[in-house]
Amino acid sequence: TQLLEQSPQFLSIQEGENLTVYCNSSSVFSSLQWYRQEPGEGPVLLVTVVTGGEVKKLKRLTFQFGDARKDSSLHITAAQPGDTGLYLCAGARGETSGSRLTFGEGTQLTVNP
Amino acid sequence: NAGVTQTPKFRILKIGQSMTLQCTQDMNHNYMYWYRQDPGMGLKLIYYSVGAGITDKGEVPNGYNVSRSTTEDFPLRLELAAPSQTSVYFCASSHRVRGDGYTFGSGTRLTVV
Repeated sequence: TQLLEQSPQFLSIQEGENLTVYCNSSSVFSSLQWYRQEPGEGPVLLVTVVTGGEVKKLKRLTFQFGDARKDSSLHITAAQPGDTGLYLCAGARGETSGSRLTFGEGTQLTVNP
Repeated sequence: NAGVTQTPKFRILKIGQSMTLQCTQDMNHNYMYWYRQDPGMGLKLIYYSVGAGITDKGEVPNGYNVSRSTTEDFPLRLELAAPSQTSVYFCASSHRVRGDGYTFGSGTRLTVV
């Protein structure tokens, strides 16, 4: 089992602050995905990173895949209450999205107004 | 677009009872998955399928069974329910192309008493 460790597990911040969530593993992944999950709903895909060192931006969210493809980070600039949710990273070993994903345990983010 | 539809949304079972969690997708995805999510434990893979007629065990298959007679449907069967099966269950599907990510249903919250 390839273990993905996310940190921090919980994060509570004020609106307007910046934050970074980390996803680390000792295993190499062919791709890594980030999902956000809101209460009572399933996770929703935010981004997929494939190439070592890759950086992707989605509005105020910046995702980075480590050079060795073992780790990733999610940085949120000027957080808003709408960013509140459970953020999950998930790594794939195979070359297709049908390859089984290993999920981290998640980071519960609360952004207070 | 319905995406991935799960029924029921909530269910309370008594110990020893059986039930089937339904999952259907209308995106013509080959791959389908069942996960369970426990508080602070992330998502654990129960069973998955790479196409109609093909299923395989994930990390935590004990106490569950699946079938995949059509591309669209992937029901999860619980036989002899136990309190340890109290959880939120998510069905997901994905296409073969890398980077598409998983599409999740909205989940079934199951309590075994």
